Amino acid sequence: EVQLVESGGGLVKPGGSLRLSCAASELAFGSYTMTWVRQAPGKGLEWVSSIGSSGTYQFYADSVKGRFTVSRDNAKNSLYLQMNSLRADDTAFYYCARARGTTTGFDYWGQGTLVTVSS
Amino acid sequence: DIQMTQSPSTLSASVGDRVTITCRASQSISYWLAWYQQKPGKAPKLLISKTRNLETGVPFRFSGSESGTEFTLTISSLQPDDFATYYCQQYHSYPYTFGQGTKLEIK
Repeated sequence: EVQLVESGGGLVKPGGSLRLSCAASELAFGSYTMTWVRQAPGKGLEWVSSIGSSGTYQFYADSVKGRFTVSRDNAKNSLYLQMNSLRADDTAFYYCARARGTTTGFDYWGQGTLVTVSS
Repeated sequence: DIQMTQSPSTLSASVGDRVTITCRASQSISYWLAWYQQKPGKAPKLLISKTRNLETGVPFRFSGSESGTEFTLTISSLQPDDFATYYCQQYHSYPYTFGQGTKLEIK
């Protein structure tokens, strides 16, 4: 069973930075596109960013473009999200997720890590 | 960007009822649509991929269908474990987008 474990969340002031990590238990981690999805407390799901299996391509939501950077280290089975210039509306649970293939939705999710942006 | 309009936002139903949740895409997404179930305090769970393909272990009372750009999740006979929030998501093209969610409540 694949396990995804996020870490790095916490309280940060507006304008600050935070780096989230997602550790995967799967040996084939380097074969899959990985994604970050967030959910503000009591709100719906929002796709944030995806990165291809080799890290060659990345995609971002307009709401985070230019402020967030997704990366991965396949040797460490890890996914990252560097978040800069944080704003109050970035407050959310951040989930990492995997799609089994290009034809499926996100079949594995982490438990989420909470980012709170507040002064 | 492709917008996903999901309805209703809230649905009250009873055990044994047949319910449908609808998502309309703002443009063609072919069949690249997934449905998720989320319970409070938990990560979403993938139910259906590619419009109608049930994930392993998902009960057969869940089904998906489409007509053009309108997609439907049907639960044929509600069980107590089904009361949750449901989301659709298109993965035809980036930026991927989710519907606003449907909270399925016990009547």
